[in-house]
Amino acid sequence: DAMVIQNPRYQVTQFGKPVTLSCSQTLNHNVMYWYQQKSSQAPKLLFHYYDKDFNNEADTPDNFQSRRPNTSFCFLDIRSPGLGDAAMYLCATSSYQAFNQPQHFGDGTRLSIL
Amino acid sequence: AQKVTQAQTEISVVEKEDVTLDCVYETRDTTYYLFWYKQPPSGELVFLIRRNSFDEQNEISGRYSWNFQKSTSSFNFTITASQVVDSAVYFCALSEAGNAGNMLTFGGGTRLMVKP
Repeated sequence: DAMVIQNPRYQVTQFGKPVTLSCSQTLNHNVMYWYQQKSSQAPKLLFHYYDKDFNNEADTPDNFQSRRPNTSFCFLDIRSPGLGDAAMYLCATSSYQAFNQPQHFGDGTRLSIL
Repeated sequence: AQKVTQAQTEISVVEKEDVTLDCVYETRDTTYYLFWYKQPPSGELVFLIRRNSFDEQNEISGRYSWNFQKSTSSFNFTITASQVVDSAVYFCALSEAGNAGNMLTFGGGTRLMVKP
């Protein structure tokens, strides 16, 4: 089945130690998103790629970076994780071939900071 | 600016009860799209429905139904004969037409607990 796959499902890292979360998709969608979701809150958009064009939300900390080497893969890099970065990270994709298509989400990576 | 409000933060029902989740939105656009997503305890967001602003017909899909009323800027979601598997957080979201990147504005979510 075509889908959005996030690895790993659970990630534990140490305070200040860089960590990378990965996302791949088989939907061939041209838009990919990264969201941060903390407990009992709605997902918060960090950034998105429209094809190779990177779009950063104004309030996304510099500590968060992203790479999209090709259509299928997208990575979220947290350069120096702090305790406040512990959250669920959700990757999503959508097709911009037609307007306002739904976003399709992966299962998420739950990040813990020691 | 667009905004989505889900006033009910938590709802608890007993299995087989009907339950309605409220969603109220604000937008200045005349063309927009509304969505509902389900987030079970496992964490993934599951797309349930998309509705455009020109289509006010109610929709039914099995036990799920949606009532869209532009006059009250509401897009409510009803689950008939709820089941334990319906326990999840439900998010309503808005997307203004033609926005670059299909961006979504989410409501705060409603946690639904269905007890056996």
